[in-house]
Amino acid sequence: DGGITQSPKYLFRKEGQNVTLSCEQNLNHDAMYWYRQDPGQGLRLIYYSQIVNDFQKGDIAEGYSVSREKKESFPLTVTSAQKNPTAFYLCASSPSGNTIYFGEGSWLTVV
Amino acid sequence: AQKVTQAQTEISVVEKEDVTLDCVYETRDTTYYLFWYKQPPSGELVFLIRRNSFDEQNEISGRYSWNFQKSTSSFNFTITASQVVDSAVYFCALSERNYGQNFVFGPGTRLSVLP
Repeated sequence: DGGITQSPKYLFRKEGQNVTLSCEQNLNHDAMYWYRQDPGQGLRLIYYSQIVNDFQKGDIAEGYSVSREKKESFPLTVTSAQKNPTAFYLCASSPSGNTIYFGEGSWLTVV
Repeated sequence: AQKVTQAQTEISVVEKEDVTLDCVYETRDTTYYLFWYKQPPSGELVFLIRRNSFDEQNEISGRYSWNFQKSTSSFNFTITASQVVDSAVYFCALSERNYGQNFVFGPGTRLSVLP
């Protein structure tokens, strides 16, 4: 099936740990995005990438890192520097800035 | 600057009522795109519609309709004869063509349709 796959759906992180959220798309989209959503809140952009091997910081990039080594993949690492990482994370992709499509999201909880 | 405002935080209606969700935007670009997304309780954002800045024609899709007015910088969304399955958070979004192709989302409106 075509689409955007995020994994894992649910993830628990201990204090001081880095965790990586996976995002894969088989839609042949150029642009990919990571958003964070806190309960009852809107979406905030973490990072985005318009082309392989290039990415830009969004509004809340501190404590996060990304890579874009392949067109299909845009993993997000939540580092220990992110002091309040508990949130819902949404990956998205877009064909060159056109309509943006979302994955099912990943819930990250700090324990 | 790019900005999307959805003044209605929460709306509750009874099934079969019509409901309009408001969206007001600010942009510095002459070419831009407006979107509506639905986020059901499962969490995934579902794309509903995209509108180009040079196309002000209103659109209807089943029970959904959209009213785009450049003069008031608004892109409102109406659900006719609402159903319980319409209960969700609805987001309006803006993308400017000439400024990084970034998407900006409004804060969302939570719609509850009561049986």
